[in-house]
Amino acid sequence: EAGVAQSPRYKIIEKRQSVAFWCNPISGHATLYWYQQILGQGPKLLIQFQNNGVVDDSQLPKDRFSAERLKGVDSTLKIQPAKLEDSAVYLCASSPRAGNVHGYTFGSGTRLTVV
Amino acid sequence: AQTVTQSQPEMSVQEAETVTLSCTYDTSESDYYLFWYKQPPSRQMILVIRQEAYKQQNATENRFSVNFQKAAKSFSLKISDSQLGDAAMYFCAYGGTQGGSEKLVFGKGTKLTVNP
Repeated sequence: EAGVAQSPRYKIIEKRQSVAFWCNPISGHATLYWYQQILGQGPKLLIQFQNNGVVDDSQLPKDRFSAERLKGVDSTLKIQPAKLEDSAVYLCASSPRAGNVHGYTFGSGTRLTVV
Repeated sequence: AQTVTQSQPEMSVQEAETVTLSCTYDTSESDYYLFWYKQPPSRQMILVIRQEAYKQQNATENRFSVNFQKAAKSFSLKISDSQLGDAAMYFCAYGGTQGGSEKLVFGKGTKLTVNP
């Protein structure tokens, strides 16, 4: 079974620029999550999709962050404009269905550095 | 809101020895899940072990086992016969269903070093 694919692996941008991250979940997984992991901390949920609908985006800074999951498969997370404090690893995860019973499968993340 | 606390920023263990990582959590929910994830330098979060709160029996996966104390809201991870490949960040995570969102709430992690 192929894992959760993310790209790019690394990205360096200047503040106020825009950036986009891509995630391809495991085939058939209905639920997709984007987490932000700041250095020295555990991941924090940004947004959860169930198929192509948003379940929870309460911690997504909507003035600069946006995310979509077209056709309930791939997802993109965008930051525009970026701030220095957005430097972090952005992790995508998927699960077969709603519910935590199995935990998630995570991708390897994108490390974003904003200078 | 749920919180997860890992009070040991760093731990070290000798190869082949046993180490225990601590985790406490706070919740008002009665039905939830607890997880330990391993994060090597590759950054991918790898599920080590999970525990359903309604189960009294502690979960075990090969060399990894947990001590789940529901009343004390404690969930520690024991690694037996430590191997060099166990060196990584370990995160304790809480999984609930509050508000319909099945998000995981993570602690800040414990960096485990395995000495040869």
